[in-house]
Amino acid sequence: DTGVSQDPRHKITKRGQNVTFRCDPISEHNRLYWYRQTLGQGPEFLTYFQNEAQLEKSRLLSDRFSAERPKGSFSTLEIQRTEQGDSAMYLCASSLPQQETQYFGPGTRLLVL
Amino acid sequence: QKEVEQDPGPLSVPEGAIVSLNCTYSNSAFQYFMWYRQYSRKGPELLMYTYSSGNKEDGRFTAQVDKSSKYISLFIRDSQPSDSATYLCAMSDDTGFQKLVFGTGTRLLVSP
Repeated sequence: DTGVSQDPRHKITKRGQNVTFRCDPISEHNRLYWYRQTLGQGPEFLTYFQNEAQLEKSRLLSDRFSAERPKGSFSTLEIQRTEQGDSAMYLCASSLPQQETQYFGPGTRLLVL
Repeated sequence: QKEVEQDPGPLSVPEGAIVSLNCTYSNSAFQYFMWYRQYSRKGPELLMYTYSSGNKEDGRFTAQVDKSSKYISLFIRDSQPSDSATYLCAMSDDTGFQKLVFGTGTRLLVSP
């Protein structure tokens, strides 16, 4: 499968714990995006990488959230001191340079108890 | 007011019906318009992409963009039960990186 992959697919954690999600984009896609989707809502933009550089961050990305993309390949999204409000689907997408269409992974569903 | 408005539905139709899904938006800088389909507990899947105003057809799907009215539509002909999903409109401006702004999604149910 050459699509965007995300791991884990599901994560249940207790409030206050740290969690980390991984995204592997489509090969040759140098642009990588993270979105968050809550129930009944469309995805909301969190952050954007072009190669290894993080070029844009949403106001939604509080200081408890950090994202990295070492070597411009896979990316990780870490949430520290999770809160119940962090429960959501975290989606990763990738695209080619100069291309507007983004291809999404299956998402990581996070539940904070 | 949200930048992109979309009726959440659900929209229930019988198999074979023509479905019309719509979004309105407020940001006149939006230039790229997309429709995604999302099955329950899955990631969004790109259906249609349109740049600026006009129509685009792909099989049973037709996307229309009217920038003067800030209104976009997706038409599905001969709808099938397998079309039952949530349909998300998404759009972006021309800033050089393509942050997508999504509608809330319309849930479509096609009954056999």
